[in-house]
Amino acid sequence: AQSVTQLDSQVPVFEEAPVELRCNYSSSVSVYLFWYVQYPNQGLQLLLKYLSGSTLVESINGFEAEFNKSQTSFHLRKPSVHISDTAEYFCAVSVINAGGTSYGKLTFGQGTILTVHP
Amino acid sequence: DGGITQSPKYLFRKEGQNVTLSCEQNLNHDAMYWYRQDPGQGLRLIYYSQIVNDFQKGDIAEGYSVSREKKESFPLTVTSAQKNPTAFYLCASSIGGGAYEQYFGPGTRLTVT
Repeated sequence: AQSVTQLDSQVPVFEEAPVELRCNYSSSVSVYLFWYVQYPNQGLQLLLKYLSGSTLVESINGFEAEFNKSQTSFHLRKPSVHISDTAEYFCAVSVINAGGTSYGKLTFGQGTILTVHP
Repeated sequence: DGGITQSPKYLFRKEGQNVTLSCEQNLNHDAMYWYRQDPGQGLRLIYYSQIVNDFQKGDIAEGYSVSREKKESFPLTVTSAQKNPTAFYLCASSIGGGAYEQYFGPGTRLTVT
């Protein structure tokens, strides 16, 4: 079975500072990797995903994540955060089955609450 | 506007009562999912359906039931057998398959006393 560990439950930072939210996963098979963001009292929105190819993936609002197969990690980074980035961030994996497809079952980490202070 | 709707946003029930949470999507997605969110535990999959009239148990299906009679609808019933039903419930849909983005509804917060 697969599992996802987000190493920090809360990350406070000041506006315009860099931030890294850490995610490690455990799986005996290949996976797709995702970061979702949840603003207070809302559903989740996809931030970015890694399926294959370049190990560095980027979102439209300045976040990036790098897939590291040897370390089974998919850390999320942003060089300069804004107040509006305050939210809870979830890392998730979807197992790729033997046929090369995936059933869409997501396994989520516990979440990291990012709080950006002025 | 295309999207997923969940109703109601807040729901209160007495212990021992069954309650049904609504989830409707107009995205023409084949796959739909129900998750439960508890503080500090992330999201856990309750049930999922890849096609109409078919659904599978997720990781925490005990005490829950679902139906998928229409492509656009995937209601979740929280039964009296669910020992700790108070939680935030999120419904999602996707085109199908794990490579595709899941689109989430706004959630229903259920409180059982």
